[in-house]
Amino acid sequence: TQLLEQSPQFLSIQEGENLTVYCNSSSVFSSLQWYRQEPGEGPVLLVTVVTGGEVKKLKRLTFQFGDARKDSSLHITAAQPGDTGLYLCAGLQGAQKLVFGQGTRLTINP
Amino acid sequence: GAVVSQHPSWVICKSGTSVKIECRSLDFQATTMFWYRQFPKQSLMLMATSNEGSKATYEQGVEKDKFLINHASLTLSTLTVTSAHPEDSSFYICSAWGGTGNTIYFGEGSWLTVV
Repeated sequence: TQLLEQSPQFLSIQEGENLTVYCNSSSVFSSLQWYRQEPGEGPVLLVTVVTGGEVKKLKRLTFQFGDARKDSSLHITAAQPGDTGLYLCAGLQGAQKLVFGQGTRLTINP
Repeated sequence: GAVVSQHPSWVICKSGTSVKIECRSLDFQATTMFWYRQFPKQSLMLMATSNEGSKATYEQGVEKDKFLINHASLTLSTLTVTSAHPEDSSFYICSAWGGTGNTIYFGEGSWLTVV
């Protein structure tokens, strides 16, 4: 049973379009993180959201944490080919244990 | 900044042999480290929590006798895949919390191919 359900798992869109990736759970997390991972490398942290309802922006990326701290979304505006990659959400259980969603493999076509 | 390093980056071993992967925190101490496994085109699956000076805590479905974890010092955890089989071929990643901001850091990952 996957603790964090991420959707969609695959997404291929054209450059310039907008997209949203969702991360949902029935569990409450103390915080939730979003990562991006390139093939053959470890994941790189994009953002950490801690407070229910929190919204954080990172250039064209907008991250939101649900009010109940069970879900989160990542919205990318005007996607570019450089945004192509594997995006992972991860929820913090307890003080240090991080569990990951299935990931969203994003492809931005020129 | 804090860095977590893994060694080797990639390894090929014969079926039936054992292989050890190291995870080091380079400039901070880590009482707890985590080991993940990632199959191609899939996400990271937590295998176990490595605790310095005590036994590792394994996730459900992970064989503790097959994936031996040793955390003998505050900067080093090792994962030994015993009697490796081709289905153990995967990308293994470790992580540790540390640094001034108490942030989680991931290693670069280790590719294991069992032939």
